[in-house]
Amino acid sequence: GAVVSQHPSWVICKSGTSVKIECRSLDFQATTMFWYRQFPKQSLMLMATSNEGSKATYEQGVEKDKFLINHASLTLSTLTVTSAHPEDSSFYICSAETGTSNTEAFFGQGTRLTVV
Amino acid sequence: QQQVKQSPQSLIVQKGGISIINCAYENTAFDYFPWYQQFPGKGPALLIAIRPDVSEKKEGRFTISFNKSAKQFSLHIMDSQPGDSATYFCAARTGGGNKLTFGTGTQLKVEL
Repeated sequence: GAVVSQHPSWVICKSGTSVKIECRSLDFQATTMFWYRQFPKQSLMLMATSNEGSKATYEQGVEKDKFLINHASLTLSTLTVTSAHPEDSSFYICSAETGTSNTEAFFGQGTRLTVV
Repeated sequence: QQQVKQSPQSLIVQKGGISIINCAYENTAFDYFPWYQQFPGKGPALLIAIRPDVSEKKEGRFTISFNKSAKQFSLHIMDSQPGDSATYFCAARTGGGNKLTFGTGTQLKVEL
């Protein structure tokens, strides 16, 4: 199957700083990427949907100014957590699809963010 | 609003036994029902998926049973192995994109 790579796998940052997480589709072009957030022992909650070259669509309750998403190319989307606080500590996961209908979503390995 | 309900929350099965996880949905517009396996600290990986025009799909030790009228679907893991110990999520998607709605997850432990 197709490979989606996230970087970094884990990151620790100080409260008030910003951190960027990258999501890359390694062997296919991803017209749409999704960003999820997962708290311990909980399900994946969709944060936003990003399409290459356009603004991301955020789910209700997700602060777009805090979680900046950029999908500048067909193989890269980034999530920047701005002014991070301890409550932003979570597991962030991206997924990507090729854009043709009824295709599988390929998930990255996730990024563990800890804000201290 | 939880559109996909999953049970049980946790499950312990003996090696060689059958693991059964159930999901129920509300939105009749869902047209694709995948199951994902997730190990600690990793992203979810697709196990098997089914569409509503099929009542059952089998791939190796994994089988999905689908009941469209009851709006329920389940995952059966035959001959469960310790390596199957993971968290399993059902999901559902409406047509036209891969915006998935996930169930709450089932933590499976297969004991020797």
